[in-house]
Amino acid sequence: ETGVTQTPRHLVMGMTNKKSLKCEQHLGHNAMYWYKQSAKKPLELMFVYSLEERVENNSVPSRFSPECPNSSHLFLHLHTLQPEDSALYLCASSQDPGAVYEQYFGPGTRLTVT
Amino acid sequence: AQSVAQPEDQVNVAEGNPLTVKCTYSVSGNPYLFWYVQYPNRGLQFLLKYITGDNLVKGSYGFEAEFNKSQTSFHLKKPSALVSDSALYFCAVSPFNRDDKIIFGKGTRLHILP
Repeated sequence: ETGVTQTPRHLVMGMTNKKSLKCEQHLGHNAMYWYKQSAKKPLELMFVYSLEERVENNSVPSRFSPECPNSSHLFLHLHTLQPEDSALYLCASSQDPGAVYEQYFGPGTRLTVT
Repeated sequence: AQSVAQPEDQVNVAEGNPLTVKCTYSVSGNPYLFWYVQYPNRGLQFLLKYITGDNLVKGSYGFEAEFNKSQTSFHLKKPSALVSDSALYFCAVSPFNRDDKIIFGKGTRLHILP
């Protein structure tokens, strides 16, 4: 295992629901990330947090709302999603947000929006 | 604009034969280059990275990659393929400029045939 856990592993939600994805890293890292992985598309970086402060938001719709209460936990709050938001959502962490550091990924949450 | 390309969607190799998974990039300045592997129902797993120095980088599971600045390539290689190497492989580039974000290639599916 990589030291990054994600829950739930699978989630099915309607377009009017509100749900949250959780990520926890046990590596003592200072940076955490959310990615979206869709079939036939490159991995998309959504958010970057460094020491609980959001340092990057890559034009993600407001129906996705991240939260980082401490350096070990990261949440992605979801509301009024669209079917095209169905994807694998991956959390990752790295020692620091600098470009030189490799990232450690969780197993992902497979999200289906109905 | 920076980019990374993996020209092959799929690569098939017989077990025991050498394998190559191709990656080319386009960034301004000196890049940091990474390879990740994704097994079914798992997140991405770090294999190796090039930061500076020796152009031949060795990583996990017997994989290596060669940085070629003139050809802007960073191909992943292994001298003798195993069936267990079958997975999805991603090349990624992080530019030295911190204002630019990490970019992943679309991935190459590697099939090792017994």
